[in-house]
Amino acid sequence: NAGVTQTPKFQVLKTGQSMTLQCAQDMNHEYMSWYRQDPGMGLRLIHYSVGAGITDQGEVPNGYNVSRSTTEDFPLRLLSAAPSQTSVYFCASSYQGYEQYFGPGTRLTVT
Amino acid sequence: AQSVTQLGSHVSVSEGALVLLRCNYSSSVPPYLFWYVQYPNQGLQLLLKYTTGATLVKGINGFEAEFKKSETSFHLTKPSAHMSDAAEYFCAVTDPTDSWGKLQFGAGTQVVVTP
Repeated sequence: NAGVTQTPKFQVLKTGQSMTLQCAQDMNHEYMSWYRQDPGMGLRLIHYSVGAGITDQGEVPNGYNVSRSTTEDFPLRLLSAAPSQTSVYFCASSYQGYEQYFGPGTRLTVT
Repeated sequence: AQSVTQLGSHVSVSEGALVLLRCNYSSSVPPYLFWYVQYPNQGLQLLLKYTTGATLVKGINGFEAEFKKSETSFHLTKPSAHMSDAAEYFCAVTDPTDSWGKLQFGAGTQVVVTP
């Protein structure tokens, strides 16, 4: 199993550009989530999904959209990038929500 | 609402010395507790978890943690540090009544191991 995969590993955007961070898992997990990691703040939950077609907001959802059309994929969309969205983004998945498996991360810089 | 406090953003230990990372939580119900480790440029990996039962929990790589309800703590220890323990460590909590187990993370503790 590949586990949780994320693409791209690195991305530089200009303010106002849009992009999609990809996340996929091959463990048939129902629960998937997106976090952002900033120095001194740990990981904060952006959005999560408990199955195909079901998503909800986490702690810091503003500026981000998600959808879940399949069990395997959970993309995160930045509609209009801002410098405040410079961060490292992690996708995670789990079967029952407790033991979460994390992807390797996407390092995003917005200039 | 739940919250997690990790005391000390950076900890330096000598190789062979005790590693002690502190985690205190605030929760209206007894939470489930986790420690994750992040090696440089990698994602997070589960070290250990406490849900119910024995309050002393053993994890991977020789780490263990003890849930102390009276002190609202879940400190992580390892008797003898190894150079490979250099990483960032995160304590996290979840509400057991949340069927999907959304995690609340602490700010993290960076561990440096010196020869």
